[in-house]
Amino acid sequence: GQQVMQIPQYQHVQEGEDFTTYCNSSTTLSNIQWYKQRPGGHPVFLIQLVKSGEVKKQKRLTFQFGEAKKNSSLHITATQTTDVGTYFCAGDKGGGKLIFGQGTELSVKP
Amino acid sequence: NAGVTQTPKFRILKIGQSMTLQCAQDMNHNYMYWYRQDPGMGLKLIYYSVGAGITDKGEVPNGYNVSRSTTEDFPLRLELAAPSQTSVYFCASSYSTGVSDEQYFGPGTRLTVT
Repeated sequence: GQQVMQIPQYQHVQEGEDFTTYCNSSTTLSNIQWYKQRPGGHPVFLIQLVKSGEVKKQKRLTFQFGEAKKNSSLHITATQTTDVGTYFCAGDKGGGKLIFGQGTELSVKP
Repeated sequence: NAGVTQTPKFRILKIGQSMTLQCAQDMNHNYMYWYRQDPGMGLKLIYYSVGAGITDKGEVPNGYNVSRSTTEDFPLRLELAAPSQTSVYFCASSYSTGVSDEQYFGPGTRLTVT
């Protein structure tokens, strides 16, 4: 079946360092969504990318969707302690059924 | 708006017991979903619904049943609970598939089967 792989599983950074998580799908995606889950919380939507090669920015967060619509990345510039949590990508083949990656758990040392 | 609500927050079941996890949304969303999240893992889709009276299986439907009699409610039924069903269960909803398919998640139900 379709798989969405996400790396790394864990990332520990010093506050102020950059962070990137990568997402790869075994099949072409209709769109890809990114979610953030704080410890003990529920996933919260960050963004959706639809177009091939699309790049979107939200303050210090930059999201990219690959040209083949099979991979994506999330880059955080100058991490802050408020960025702590697990970041999930979720691929949509169409029809709204999301396949979630395993997530990247980010910890930030002040 | 309350958004997506789930009850109960926590539950401990004995093997073989049954229970219903409740989910309700007040955003008039047509799509609703049930996911389970095991420790250190992503979310896996159990069942979903595109509208009242319509449900379909996700990745991991075995051991679960759903119904959708109204737009607002989407209960998940566990029959004959097994230890493998120990997990955190999240309900979510979205308006429709299209340009913006943001899913809104409830706070989750933490279920332990012993």
